[in-house]
Amino acid sequence: AQSVTQLGSHVSVSEGALVLLRCNYSSSVPPYLFWYVQYPNQGLQLLLKYTSAATLVKGINGFEAEFKKSETSFHLTKPSAHMSDAAEYFCAVTRSGGYQKVTFGTGTKLQVIP
Amino acid sequence: DSGVTQTPKHLITATGQRVTLRCSPRSGDLSVYWYQQSLDQGLQFLIQYYNGEERAKGNILERFSAQQFPDLHSELNLSSLELGDSALYFCASSVGGVGAGDTGELFFGEGSRLTVL
Repeated sequence: AQSVTQLGSHVSVSEGALVLLRCNYSSSVPPYLFWYVQYPNQGLQLLLKYTSAATLVKGINGFEAEFKKSETSFHLTKPSAHMSDAAEYFCAVTRSGGYQKVTFGTGTKLQVIP
Repeated sequence: DSGVTQTPKHLITATGQRVTLRCSPRSGDLSVYWYQQSLDQGLQFLIQYYNGEERAKGNILERFSAQQFPDLHSELNLSSLELGDSALYFCASSVGGVGAGDTGELFFGEGSRLTVL
């Protein structure tokens, strides 16, 4: 079985401050990990993904995430928050080695305060 | 544009009615997923099809059913609708194959917003 846990359903940061959204996963086999972003009234879109290559993954809009096997974590970071980053962020996990079921976390809503 | 098309974008209906939501996956994608998103339940996985066959089932009610057709488009049928079925229904697609080409990345449509009055 696989699962992801996102700590904090709501996170508020000031514009220009560091963004840190936490995701811990559970998987019995090497995972593929994803962060998706959902802007208001839109579908989810891929922000970045880890597929067993480099452990530090860079995504769109200045976001990055680091896969830490020892901590079973895949936290999302951005050095400086922008107002346009306000959205809901979902962490997801699947198994490597071809198609498998994708499991999503419960999401974290990011509020950016001017 | 993800390449996944969902229709209709908005739908308002009454309790007890039946509706059909349609999804066209990205060109070449064999897997289609359906998700329900509501304020109180978050993003819930309903069901997944691969090349016409049911592959995985999540929290899908018995009043709901889905299928994937030979041309790979999918339909989600919701019947005996209740107020609590009001939600945003997303379709997503992926390559769905076995091998290095499929990393499990999902491509989401913009959703169908269902309002049950």
